[in-house]
Amino acid sequence: EVQLVESGGGLVKPGSSLKLSCVASGFTFSSYGMHWIRQAPKKGLEWIALIYYDSSNKYYADSVKGRFTISRDNSKNTLYLEMNSLRSEDTAMYYCAKNWELHYWGQGVMVTVSS
Amino acid sequence: DVVMTQTPVSLPVSLGGQASISCRSSQSLVHSNGNTYLHWYLQKPGQSPQLLIYRVSNRFSGVPDRFSGSGSGTDFTLKISRVEPEDLGDYYCLQSTHFPPLTFGSGTKLEIK
Repeated sequence: EVQLVESGGGLVKPGSSLKLSCVASGFTFSSYGMHWIRQAPKKGLEWIALIYYDSSNKYYADSVKGRFTISRDNSKNTLYLEMNSLRSEDTAMYYCAKNWELHYWGQGVMVTVSS
Repeated sequence: DVVMTQTPVSLPVSLGGQASISCRSSQSLVHSNGNTYLHWYLQKPGQSPQLLIYRVSNRFSGVPDRFSGSGSGTDFTLKISRVEPEDLGDYYCLQSTHFPPLTFGSGTKLEIK
């Protein structure tokens, strides 16, 4: 059974940093691209980052480019999202998702940016 | 960026009835490899999104055949027949042909009439 479990969220102040993790199981993690998607409270879905299976390519939404970094450790079956210079508008539920069609999603982790 | 225009915003339906959701893209979603990367998701209340249909018309594992997807180019439709209570929630389309960024539709809330 495919499982994606996010962690690392919390309440932080504007300008702070946070690093999210997504631990994968039930499939060959090193064979698939992975995404981060977020959803602000009561809002729709926003794709924010993609990393290829071998980390050869990484892509970002303009809203997070230069502040967020996606990475992965295939030896640990773990996807990461390092978030710097956090703003109030980054407040959202953050999901990781597997492969091109986002076949599977994690349960999400909440990030709240507030003073 | 490809803009995905999803309608309607809200869709009241009767249990046992049929629902239809439209998603239109600002440019063709046909990839140079011939595939069309248009997908549909359902987010039930309090849950993470789940894949229903991938690449226009392919039902994901475990998705009932009451769900069907169709369309081509820039115009796509998700149909739900014999609506059941478990179908209620927010539906989103997503294009992953042209990136970055991947872009979602703004969502359709399926609710009971």
